[in-house]
Amino acid sequence: NAGVTQTPKFQVLKTGQSMTLQCAQDMNHNSMYWYRQDPGMGLRLIYYSASEGTTDKGEVPNGYNVSRLNKREFSLRLESAAPSQTSVYFCASSALTGTLSGYTFGSGTRLTVV
Amino acid sequence: AQSVTQLDSQVPVFEEAPVELRCNYSSSVSVYLFWYVQYPNQGLQLLLKYLSGSTLVKGINGFEAEFNKSQTSFHLRKPSVHISDTAEYFCAVTSRGGNEKLTFGTGTRLTIIP
Repeated sequence: NAGVTQTPKFQVLKTGQSMTLQCAQDMNHNSMYWYRQDPGMGLRLIYYSASEGTTDKGEVPNGYNVSRLNKREFSLRLESAAPSQTSVYFCASSALTGTLSGYTFGSGTRLTVV
Repeated sequence: AQSVTQLDSQVPVFEEAPVELRCNYSSSVSVYLFWYVQYPNQGLQLLLKYLSGSTLVKGINGFEAEFNKSQTSFHLRKPSVHISDTAEYFCAVTSRGGNEKLTFGTGTRLTIIP
C-alpha cells in the first residue's frame, strides 16, 4: 500500500552512539517532516524539507541532522545519542499543492537511549 | 507564528454518550485547522480539516468540528461514541499561504467507558 515507511520500528542505543532513522514515501509528495512525540508535549517538529534539496530547522533541531536524499527519502541522524532523545519519532509527508490534503504519517520509530 | 491549546489532556466518556474535545488556537494570520487521531501504537491519521467555506466540517467515523473565528476555536464533537474511538486526538494549525508546516497541540486522550 502507498504511504510512508519508517525503519527501524524499535531501537535501543547507548549514550554516545549514533544512528540514522530512515523514511521513504511513495506518493510523490514534495514536503517531508520529522517529528518527535513525548508524553504531555504532543508532536514537536525537528526538521522539515519543503522540497528535494532543501532542509530547514523546526522547533527542536539540536542534536539532530537530516538529509533529503531524493524526493522519496528523508533521513534523520543522531550523531551522539543522549537520554533526552528517548522518544517516538514520526516521519510525515505532504503534497504541498495548495489544497492541504494533510500529512501522511509513518508508523513511528520508538527510540530508547540508555 | 501560531500555537494550539488543547484544554483537556484526558477525557473519559461513557459508551454511546456525546463528546466534545476542545481546541483553541492563536495566530496573527488566517489559518487552516486539522484534527488527527492516533490509535494505540500507530501513527496519526487525518480525521478532518477546515480550509474555508462552511464552518461546520464533517470527518471520518462520525466526527465533526466547528470553526469559530471569533473565539479562535475548533472543537471536535461526536454525538455517540464507541469503544473503538478510544485514542489520542491532536488538533493542529498551519498558516494560510505558508509551507504547510503544522503546529500540533499536546493531545487529548479519549477513553471510552463501557
